[in-house]
Amino acid sequence: TQLLEQSPQFLSIQEGENLTVYCNSSSVFSSLQWYRQEPGEGPVLLVTVVTGGEVKKLKRLTFQFGDARKDSSLHITAAQPGDTGLYLCAESRRAGNTGKLIFGQGTTLQVKP
Amino acid sequence: KAGVTQTPRYLIKTRGQQVTLSCSPISGHRSVSWYQQTPGQGLQFLFEYFSETQRNKGNFPGRFSGRQFSNSRSEMNVSTLELGDSALYLCASSLGGPTSSYEQYFGPGTRLTVT
Repeated sequence: TQLLEQSPQFLSIQEGENLTVYCNSSSVFSSLQWYRQEPGEGPVLLVTVVTGGEVKKLKRLTFQFGDARKDSSLHITAAQPGDTGLYLCAESRRAGNTGKLIFGQGTTLQVKP
Repeated sequence: KAGVTQTPRYLIKTRGQQVTLSCSPISGHRSVSWYQQTPGQGLQFLFEYFSETQRNKGNFPGRFSGRQFSNSRSEMNVSTLELGDSALYLCASSLGGPTSSYEQYFGPGTRLTVT
């Protein structure tokens, strides 16, 4: 069974600092999605990466997909308290016309003002 | 366009009881998936419904079941509740077609507490 490993599990930083969260697998991802979840709410889709080497930017967030499609990273520049939450990577596991998401354990980020 | 809605948002039940949770997907989305989220196990896939048929299932006991209606709304049922069933139950909808990314959009979840 392919597992998604996220690191670090917890991160507590000051406002204005930069940070990087990693998502790794022993096998090739078909595609990878990043979500952010706030307490008591469902995950919100941030981005989907599909092509090896792909880089996507969403304001202060930069997402990279490894060339071999076995790893991905999320970099936040100048973190703000509003970035606080649980960051989850998920692989879209497809089988024919159906599919499901396999999630990593998540990275809990706390940004202190 | 309205997002995914789930009802109720909070539920407290006693061991041995059963519970039904409801999910309304985004308009036009035909696939509804259900996930269980706990602090220890994280987010785990329960099952997926498409056009009123279950087409994918996770590793959960038969006490967990679901169904989908012709309007794509879905319900999830858990019978003979156990303490370990306490969790946030999330519903996600997607177009469900043969897209390469299979993006899913989540509802706010139903927080189930079993006492």
